[in-house]
Amino acid sequence: EVQLVDSGGNLVQPGGSLRLSCAASGFTVSSNYMSWVRQAPGKGLEWVSVFYRSGDTYYADSVKGRFIISRDNSKNTVYLHMNSLRAEDTAVYYCARGGGNSDFDYWGQGTLVTVSS
Amino acid sequence: EIVLTQSPDFQSVTPKEKVTITCRASQSIGGNLHWYQQKPDQSPKILIRYASQSFSGVPSRFSGSGSGTDFTLTINGLEAEDAATYYCHQSNNLPHTFGQGTKLEIK
Repeated sequence: EVQLVDSGGNLVQPGGSLRLSCAASGFTVSSNYMSWVRQAPGKGLEWVSVFYRSGDTYYADSVKGRFIISRDNSKNTVYLHMNSLRAEDTAVYYCARGGGNSDFDYWGQGTLVTVSS
Repeated sequence: EIVLTQSPDFQSVTPKEKVTITCRASQSIGGNLHWYQQKPDQSPKILIRYASQSFSGVPSRFSGSGSGTDFTLTINGLEAEDAATYYCHQSNNLPHTFGQGTKLEIK
């Protein structure tokens, strides 16, 4: 059974850093495209970043230069390293399988990041 | 960036009714358009992939059509459990983008 478990969300001050984790089971992350998608409170979905099977990575303009997506094949886990956090980064962050020219077919349960002083 | 515009933003419907949600892309995206359902406090779930392919396990009352710039999600015979927000998503170009969502309320 395919499962994604998101963790790492927390309350952080503006300018701070946080690392989110997405632990996968039932498939191998290195053989798939893996993405992060976020949802601000009461708002719609926003794609954040993708890790291609090739190792290439891409980011939304809103997070480029501040966020880094990475992958640990030995742990079958994908990470989102978030730096220089801003109030507007406050959202539930979902890990999702997909992000090439495909849909997101499986999603984690989400983890809440709140950026506030 | 490709902008996806859904209509309507909100619809109040009765059970057994037929519902149609549209998604228009700001430029052609071929068939790289997908539909998701999100219920309150839950993660989104894929319903339709590549405009018209039903995802495994999705009830047959959900169907999709379209190509290029105009796409439609249809729910034939709405059920109470279909109360949710529906999003379209394009994977043709980076950045991936989503429509603003259509909230369905069941009367």
